[in-house]
Amino acid sequence: AQKITQTQPGMFVQEKEAVTLDCTYDTSDQSYGLFWYKQPSSGEMIFLIYQGSYDEQNATEGRYSLNFQKARKSANLVISASQLGDSAMYFCAMRDPNSNSGYALNFGKGTSLLVTP
Amino acid sequence: ETGVTQTPRHLVMGMTNKKSLKCEQHLGHNAMYWYKQSAKKPLELMFVYNFKEQTENNSVPSRFSPECPNSSHLFLHLHTLQPEDSALYLCASSQERVRNEQFFGPGTRLTVL
Repeated sequence: AQKITQTQPGMFVQEKEAVTLDCTYDTSDQSYGLFWYKQPSSGEMIFLIYQGSYDEQNATEGRYSLNFQKARKSANLVISASQLGDSAMYFCAMRDPNSNSGYALNFGKGTSLLVTP
Repeated sequence: ETGVTQTPRHLVMGMTNKKSLKCEQHLGHNAMYWYKQSAKKPLELMFVYNFKEQTENNSVPSRFSPECPNSSHLFLHLHTLQPEDSALYLCASSQERVRNEQFFGPGTRLTVL
């Protein structure tokens, strides 16, 4: 069975600094996909970035990049040049190909990020 | 309307009430999902529908009854709920492909008295 671990319940970062949010995963599948979502206080989950297990390069989307270390089974999210609007919960997730639908996402417990002026 | 919409945004109901949550996606996706998010717990998948057919029921109690009349609409019918069912209920949709990122609605904050 899959397992997603986010060990940082809360993080602080100063505006304009970079921050890394940790995510480790456990799977026996060779092909898998990893996702990061942002959840502001409004509640909506916002898709940020995706990394496929066979992707040769680390994924990047604007200020978001993924530090993918396959051998260590880690997929850390790096946010560069933090902004006050980045304050939110951040969730790491993995698609479960063994779910009945094949589309289920397993989520970690999340990391609360607070960006300070 | 764009993206995924959910109504109502907030709902307070008694344990004997019957209510329904509605989700609509305007993205042309073929899969829709219901998730439950309780305080201090990871997001829990409840149901998955693919082309209107239920493909996943994650051991959800029968007091939650999903309905998917077409690929754009998803309902969650609620009856005789318990206070522990109070949570944020999130709907999502995706297009079947390898990447399959899910797009979420704003959620319905449910309180059961």
